[in-house]
Amino acid sequence: EAQVTQNPRYLITVTGKKLTVTCSQNMNHEYMSWYRQDPGLGLRQIYYSMNVEVTDKGDVPEGYKVSRKEKRNFPLILESPSPNQTSLYFCASSVQGYNEKLFFGSGTQLSVL
Amino acid sequence: ELKVEQNPLFLSMQEGKNYTIYCNYSTTSDRLYWYRQDPGKSLESLFVLLSNGAVKQEGRLMASLDTKARLSTLHITAAVHDLSATYFCARGYGGSQGNLIFGKGTKLSVKP
Repeated sequence: EAQVTQNPRYLITVTGKKLTVTCSQNMNHEYMSWYRQDPGLGLRQIYYSMNVEVTDKGDVPEGYKVSRKEKRNFPLILESPSPNQTSLYFCASSVQGYNEKLFFGSGTQLSVL
Repeated sequence: ELKVEQNPLFLSMQEGKNYTIYCNYSTTSDRLYWYRQDPGKSLESLFVLLSNGAVKQEGRLMASLDTKARLSTLHITAAVHDLSATYFCARGYGGSQGNLIFGKGTKLSVKP
């Protein structure tokens, strides 16, 4: 089944403890991206990647890191999480091209205490 | 500043009625996307609009793009309860899907 898989679905952590949210897709998509969703603010893009080893900042990259060493994986790394990074995170992927639809993962609800 | 504004943010409709959600964006773009999110769920891509005058339809939903007015609309025809969800528009720039700027979303509730 074609899908974008995020793990974990829920995560509670404490300030300053490094964490990684994984994202994997099995559709051979070139484009992958990360978003956070907060009440009243909608979705905001954190980082995106056009292909392996090619990443770019979105609107809210501060406090986050990404890497794209393999085509299928695009992990989101929080080196030193803070409470303002408590949010619902979505990963998405698509084939290269403007006309392509994004496929979203199920989301990761992160709480930083 | 790159902005995408949707209105209304909340919409309560009766079944069978028609309504339109508006999406205005601040700078010229020829790429506009619509997504749907059911409560507690992930997002689903609905439409990709790539040129001025583009119109796409699926079921009771029809999306259009007017790049000169920097406006996209999502029209709902004869609403049914199953359409209750939050609808987002997003403007793209840069290569491929590139950098996406989302509107805040329109929460649609369709009542019997």
